[in-house]
Amino acid sequence: EAQVTQNPRYLITVTGKKLTVTCSQNMNHEYMSWYRQDPGLGLRQIYYSMNVEVTDKGDVPEGYKVSRKEKRNFPLILESPSPNQTSLYFCASTPIGLAGATSYNEQFFGPGTRLTVL
Amino acid sequence: DAKTTQPNSMESNEEEPVHLPCNHSTISGTDYIHWYRQLPSQGPEYVIHGLTSNVNNRMASLAIAEDRKSSTLILHRATLRDAAVYYCILRVMNYGGSQGNLIFGKGTKLSVKP
Repeated sequence: EAQVTQNPRYLITVTGKKLTVTCSQNMNHEYMSWYRQDPGLGLRQIYYSMNVEVTDKGDVPEGYKVSRKEKRNFPLILESPSPNQTSLYFCASTPIGLAGATSYNEQFFGPGTRLTVL
Repeated sequence: DAKTTQPNSMESNEEEPVHLPCNHSTISGTDYIHWYRQLPSQGPEYVIHGLTSNVNNRMASLAIAEDRKSSTLILHRATLRDAAVYYCILRVMNYGGSQGNLIFGKGTKLSVKP
């Protein structure tokens, strides 16, 4: 089954304790990204990657890191989490089509990771 | 990406058709119209997309106005499982990395009554 998986699904942690949220897709997609969803603000993109070793900032990258060492995995790293990073996080993937475009392609989202930073 | 306007909420009865409108008066010629939905406690889910012509798939139909300034997502027979927030999103046809960024507005919260 084609899917995007995320782990953990729920996490409660304390300020400053490094954590990693994993994301994996089994569809051989080139493009992967991370979003956070907050009440009243909708979903906002944190980071994206167009392929292995190619990553770039989205709209709200501060306080986050990512890596893309393998095509299927795109972990989100919070090196020193703070309470304002309490949020619902989604990983997404999509294929890159003709001439590098993704505009017309479906994006597949993971089930979400609910993070609470105390 | 150009802005879209959707009603905040809509109600439907189970097994009746639902028409979810979206206005996008500033759409440009190369913008694709995408619809996603988010069921409670789940990630967003692709529903359908189109450029100029009406589109059908197993989930829904998309009717696009001739001037492309509005579109309507049609669920032919609403079920309780269709209760979700529906997002209408315009996707600019370009080739940089930012084109993968879906700009979600507030969407329309659809309630389905048994």
